[in-house]
Amino acid sequence: AQSVSQHNHHVILSEAASLELGCNYSYGGTVNLFWYVQYPGQHLQLLLKYFSGDPLVKGIKGFEAEFIKSKFSFNLRKPSVQWSDTAEYFCAVKPHNNNDMRFGAGTRLTVKP
Amino acid sequence: DVKVTQSSRYLVKRTGEKVFLECVQDMDHENMFWYRQDPGLGLRLIYFSYDVKMKEKGDIPEGYSVSREKKERFSLILESASTNQTSMYLCASSQPGQGDQPQHFGDGTRLSIL
Repeated sequence: AQSVSQHNHHVILSEAASLELGCNYSYGGTVNLFWYVQYPGQHLQLLLKYFSGDPLVKGIKGFEAEFIKSKFSFNLRKPSVQWSDTAEYFCAVKPHNNNDMRFGAGTRLTVKP
Repeated sequence: DVKVTQSSRYLVKRTGEKVFLECVQDMDHENMFWYRQDPGLGLRLIYFSYDVKMKEKGDIPEGYSVSREKKERFSLILESASTNQTSMYLCASSQPGQGDQPQHFGDGTRLSIL
């Protein structure tokens, strides 16, 4: 089965700093890629997804992610974080031909006001 | 909007008890999933189901079973609860498609086994 690695367990930034969260996956075939966010006390919500086409995907709240197939990576970025971005972020990968999704361990982001 | 409802937000049970966690979705999704979420480990798939009466093991099925008698309901069962099953349990549902369908999550059940 596919697997997902998120290398940063906890990231602490000041407001207005730029963000990049790493995500790498292992799977030999075509995949669909997702980033989910979980705000404190809330359920997981979809932030953005990559299916096909332009490898630079834009999501909600100013987030974007770039799929680099050669590096098996799907890193999440935001040019200027806000205190309200404090949350846990999960990368997920799903093979194109089935619905078996696997998640990374998550990265906790703390944004200092 | 998709609604995935888990019957309990918090649950406390004793070692050896049989525990049922219920999940209902209201969007006629065919796929349903049970995960447990632990700090530093992310979400780990326990079981999933593609159709009524159908189930597939995920990464950590030991100590768990599931039931899908109706399309909208997917139950997770701890046959004999143990303390290492203390965790946050998340249910999710999705539509089948070309693989781009995201999962929709419930609010989670925080289960404590004493």
